Amino acid sequence: NAGVTQTPKFQVLKTGQSMTLQCAQDMNHEYMSWYRQDPGMGLRLIHYSVGAGITDQGEVPNGYNVSRSTTEDFPLRLLSAAPSQTSVYFCASKTPRTGVSDYGYTFGSGTRLTVV
Amino acid sequence: AQKITQTQPGMFVQEKEAVTLDCTYDTSDQSYGLFWYKQPSSGEMIFLIYQGSYDEQNATEGRYSLNFQKARKSANLVISASQLGDSAMYFCAMREAYSSASKIIFGSGTRLSIRP
Repeated sequence: NAGVTQTPKFQVLKTGQSMTLQCAQDMNHEYMSWYRQDPGMGLRLIHYSVGAGITDQGEVPNGYNVSRSTTEDFPLRLLSAAPSQTSVYFCASKTPRTGVSDYGYTFGSGTRLTVV
Repeated sequence: AQKITQTQPGMFVQEKEAVTLDCTYDTSDQSYGLFWYKQPSSGEMIFLIYQGSYDEQNATEGRYSLNFQKARKSANLVISASQLGDSAMYFCAMREAYSSASKIIFGSGTRLSIRP
């Protein structure tokens, strides 16, 4: 299994450009999320999805759109990139909690985005 | 609103010593889960340990244990016999009630450095 695959690994955008960060998982996980990681601020939730066709906003959704047309894919769209969106972006997926165990998220390897 | 606080931005510990990383949380829910993740310099997020709010015993996973004090709303990570490979960022995280299982929030992290 590949786990959670994020592409691209690195990207430089000009202010105002749009792009889509791709995220795919092959574990049939229902839950998927996008986080951004900034120095000193930990990981902040952008958007999340509890299943195909269902998405919701996290802490910092402004400037980002998501869709979940399939269980496997959860792309993150930057509509008009701004320097404040320079960050490392993580996609993560998980199974619903079962029993007394919860192994939390499986994370992708991240996308380092720079907006100039 | 739920919140995770990690008050130690950085820590230095001598190899083979035990180390405690602090984490306090705030939630109005009775049912929640607490996680710890490790992020080495390579950037990936590695799940370490999980504690459910109704679990009566502290969680343990090898050299990791979670000191769960529910009344104080603290969930400190204890690493016994630290190793050089433990040098990394450590994040405490929380999931509120099962119905929002995909919504996990993170603290700002603690950078742990192990001295040989």
